Amino acid sequence: SQKIEQNSEALNIQEGKTATLTCNYTNYSPAYLQWYRQDPGRGPVFLLLIRENEKEKRKERLKVTFDTTLKQSLFHITASQPADSATYLCALINQAGTALIFGKGTTLSVSS
Amino acid sequence: DTAVSQTPKYLVTQMGNDKSIKCEQNLGHDTMYWYKQDSKKFLKIMFSYNNKELIINETVPNRFSPKSPDKAHLNLHINSLELGDSAVYFCASSLIRGVMNTEAFFGQGTRLTVV
Repeated sequence: SQKIEQNSEALNIQEGKTATLTCNYTNYSPAYLQWYRQDPGRGPVFLLLIRENEKEKRKERLKVTFDTTLKQSLFHITASQPADSATYLCALINQAGTALIFGKGTTLSVSS
Repeated sequence: DTAVSQTPKYLVTQMGNDKSIKCEQNLGHDTMYWYKQDSKKFLKIMFSYNNKELIINETVPNRFSPKSPDKAHLNLHINSLELGDSAVYFCASSLIRGVMNTEAFFGQGTRLTVV
């Protein structure tokens, strides 16, 4: 069955450093991969979508890569700030193409 | 204007009761979803509706039933509530059937506590 893994439950870094989050998937060949941010007590908010034919996508300080051979996506936040502290979720469309399935998320804490 | 709104934000109820959570989206989207986020923060799909048609149902007990009076609303009814139903329930919507190449918009969540 489809499986999405975000290897780290928690990641602690210092302000100004680059945060790198990992998403791996198995038994699956998605055409798209999405990243969401979730703050405590709030719903997930869409950040970026990357297609299988795109190696890399950028948005301001965010960068996402998608390696279909390794079945992996990396999510980078450069020049991290305390305001970037949140849980980041990787999401893929299910095989039926009817809904997103999510990884368990990585909680990022950026200390000043 | 809130794109996806759900009410109530908090719901505390006793075991055995029946309750409903309402969801409305003003984005003109075709598809709406219900997700459950458990105590371990794992977000799992429960239902989705496309043009009033249920298109998925992921091993959810039949005590849970989605009701969609129109394209902008997808309410969640839960009968005979159990302790294990305590979780945060999120409503979401997307522009087209499935979310293959479009983002999903989520409500703020309803924290259900069954005592």
